[in-house]
Amino acid sequence: EPEVTQTPSHQVTQMGQEVILRCVPISNHLYFYWYRQILGQKVEFLVSFYNNEISEKSEIFDDQFSVERPDGSNFTLKIRSTKLEDSAMYFCASSDAILTSGGSYEQYFGPGTRLTVT
Amino acid sequence: ELKVEQNPLFLSMQEGKNYTIYCNYSTTSDRLYWYRQDPGKSLESLFVLLSNGAVKQEGRLMASLDTKARLSTLHITAAVHDLSATYFCAVDTRETSGSRLTFGEGTQLTVNP
Repeated sequence: EPEVTQTPSHQVTQMGQEVILRCVPISNHLYFYWYRQILGQKVEFLVSFYNNEISEKSEIFDDQFSVERPDGSNFTLKIRSTKLEDSAMYFCASSDAILTSGGSYEQYFGPGTRLTVT
Repeated sequence: ELKVEQNPLFLSMQEGKNYTIYCNYSTTSDRLYWYRQDPGKSLESLFVLLSNGAVKQEGRLMASLDTKARLSTLHITAAVHDLSATYFCAVDTRETSGSRLTFGEGTQLTVNP
């Protein structure tokens, strides 16, 4: 069964450093997303991406964040200068552009990258 | 701003008992999702509810959606230890794909022998 994959599974970085989190969405999906989950808290939307541009972003997704689809398979989230409060689990998700049976635009989530900023 | 509220946030129950988790949301939506998350793991899709009155069942879990009341429920029947996890509801308010999901705070369920 197709699945979303993410690398690395765990990234430790120092405050102020740049990090790039990588995702390979499901191959025939056209919408891509990043969410984050601070330990013990709810999942929060960061950004959605379609047709090589951002569709929507949340207030969390400030100038320190950027997304890119550098080739036909990868989708990346870059944090330019990490802060302690960026420590969280980051989930990538993807969905199809058309209604699946039953009318669902269901988003499929990857396993996550745990980012620890020290 | 869309608000999604779950209750209870913590639920400890005995095996064999029944219980219901509630998910209230603050704006019109016809699409609601339930996810399960085990500690340190990703989100596993449980149910997709797409219309008023939708009811879906899988094993000991049953989910329903009342769009007029802006309420979804996740009912657990005869709980077993394997159901221990955190359960999230998420609401999707857009007409088209590519929209954000707004999650509730999650219900941490512990099923005790």
